[in-house]
Amino acid sequence: GENVEQHPSTLSVQEGDSAVIKCTYSDSASNYFPWYKQELGKRPQLIIDIRSNVGEKKDQRIAVTLNKTAKHFSLHITETQPEDSAVYFCAATKRGGGSNYKLTFGKGTLLTVNP
Amino acid sequence: ETGVTQSPTHLIKTRGQQVTLRCSSQSGHNTVSWYQQALGQGPQFIFQYYREEENGRGNFPPRFSGLQFPNYSSELNVNALELDDSALYLCATRQNWENEKLFFGSGTQLSVL
Repeated sequence: GENVEQHPSTLSVQEGDSAVIKCTYSDSASNYFPWYKQELGKRPQLIIDIRSNVGEKKDQRIAVTLNKTAKHFSLHITETQPEDSAVYFCAATKRGGGSNYKLTFGKGTLLTVNP
Repeated sequence: ETGVTQSPTHLIKTRGQQVTLRCSSQSGHNTVSWYQQALGQGPQFIFQYYREEENGRGNFPPRFSGLQFPNYSSELNVNALELDDSALYLCATRQNWENEKLFFGSGTQLSVL
């Protein structure tokens, strides 16, 4: 089955700096890669996602890049703010119907943005 | 904002007991899945339901079972509870079979003593 590795496990940055979180996946058939933000005691929230037919996607201060050949994808947050502090999870799955769709998550990155 | 709701929010059980967790799907979302999130870990896929049938299962034993109802709401049942079952149980829904965006509920925190 799919295996997703995520690093770093913790990341501390100064407000205004950029943050980068990296993930690798093992199953070359995976073609959908979402990122979730989870604040303490709250639900995981989908913040951005990317399909395998796209190399990069941006949404304001957040961007995701995908390298299918190397089987890795990254989350980039620019101009970080204290409210960006949370645990971030990457995940991977095959899209579509049947029993193919099952998100495999990384272990998470605790991002702390210091004012 | 997601409309996936779960109940109860917290639950305490003893080893060997049985538990039922409930999930109301976001409006119009017909595909429901359940995830287990242990402390400090990412969520782990338990199973998925579509058209009231289980369709896809992770590495969880048969004592983890579920139901989906005609209104798309769902239940997760766990029999013969073990200490290691203590975790946050998350329900998540998708708009339909083809839509890949998954939205989570706030979860049920289960403690097994």
